Amino acid sequence: GDSVTQMEGPVTLSEEAFLTINCTYTATGYPSLFWYVQYPGEGLQLLLKATKADDKGSNKGFEATYRKETTSFHLEKGSVQVSDSAVYFCAPSSGNTPLVFGKGTRLSVIA
Amino acid sequence: DGGITQSPKYLFRKEGQNVTLSCEQNLNHDAMYWYRQDPGQGLRLIYYSQIVNDFQKGDIAEGYSVSREKKESFPLTVTSAQKNPTAFYLCASSMPPWTGFYEQYFGPGTRLTVT
Repeated sequence: GDSVTQMEGPVTLSEEAFLTINCTYTATGYPSLFWYVQYPGEGLQLLLKATKADDKGSNKGFEATYRKETTSFHLEKGSVQVSDSAVYFCAPSSGNTPLVFGKGTRLSVIA
Repeated sequence: DGGITQSPKYLFRKEGQNVTLSCEQNLNHDAMYWYRQDPGQGLRLIYYSQIVNDFQKGDIAEGYSVSREKKESFPLTVTSAQKNPTAFYLCASSMPPWTGFYEQYFGPGTRLTVT
């Protein structure tokens, strides 16, 4: 079945620093790939997605590129803000089964 | 506004009691899901349903039960058989996979505390 490995957190950055959160996956076929964000005490929100190789998903300054050759979907942002402090989840899906989530990476941004 | 509602936000129960968590969606999604989240554990799938009157066990179904009598509703019952029920419960929904749109949309969650 599908699986995902995310970098361990927590990640602590100063405001305006560059962010990378690594994500690698295993899946059958050609999965779609997703990044979700969870703010404290809330449900998950879809942050961005990519549906085929070399696609770049982007939203709110975050980007991730679907790299089939390395089975990766790393999340990046050029300049983080305090409001980006949250837990980030990577998830692949081949479509016929529910999304499989990693353990999440907690990001703390300090002013 | 379309979305997923979960109620209540916080729920407290005594050990040995069954409790039902509500999940309603007005997104016209066929598929619905229940996840459990514990600190540092990520999300674990309890049950999911891809169509009315049908559902499948997820990775940690023991001690839980569900029903799917209506497209809009997917209630989760935490039974007294669940050894460690205190957790944050998240409901989600999605369009059917054949549409090519796999993303799940989540409700705000219910935090259940059993003492």
